[in-house]
Amino acid sequence: NAGVTQTPKFRILKIGQSMTLQCAQDMNHNYMYWYRQDPGMGLKLIYYSVGAGITDKGEVPNGYNVSRSTTEDFPLRLELAAPSQTSVYFCASSPLGQALTNEKLFFGSGTQLSVL
Amino acid sequence: TQLLEQSPQFLSIQEGENLTVYCNSSSVFSSLQWYRQEPGEGPVLLVTVVTGGEVKKLKRLTFQFGDARKDSSLHITAAQPGDTGLYLCAGKGDSNYQLIWGAGTKLIIKP
Repeated sequence: NAGVTQTPKFRILKIGQSMTLQCAQDMNHNYMYWYRQDPGMGLKLIYYSVGAGITDKGEVPNGYNVSRSTTEDFPLRLELAAPSQTSVYFCASSPLGQALTNEKLFFGSGTQLSVL
Repeated sequence: TQLLEQSPQFLSIQEGENLTVYCNSSSVFSSLQWYRQEPGEGPVLLVTVVTGGEVKKLKRLTFQFGDARKDSSLHITAAQPGDTGLYLCAGKGDSNYQLIWGAGTKLIIKP
């Protein structure tokens, strides 16, 4: 019963470095999402995908890129890391998408990223 | 811009006490969800409310959606240490794929 798996759990980057946050789900969900969670703030949507090969920007996409080559995987790429990207990142998935149903989101356990 | 404000931001009470936390907006939402998040984990859905005035119960937790669908509350009866966590509300926004999230209420139940 893996659900949504995120790696790594923790990471420290230097300013200007790049990295990829991995996300995989084994529930055959079409919809996948990347959120960031900052202290005292609600979750903010970075990017989402409605299926393999289809991605779109969320509320805060600047500084990030995504790809969706398979149903299972939805990696998030940080290019030229900046201190403003210090946050906890969550990947989530859902079968059909929030627009069609009031279904729940299945979240991974998060990646805590610090950019110093 | 649709916003959800949660209050209080932080609440620490003794085991056995009752409490209510709130999720308020000036905007109408077609539905609201409540999630609980434990340290080091992602949020987990507790309930979805859809109809104005709707009340849902989940054991000791009672969720209410306001008649005008602009606010919601979560009442916990006889709180237990296992209820400790960050409680988040999220509403379906204008965009098809975006949820609007509140900042959460951090709840600590002391034994």
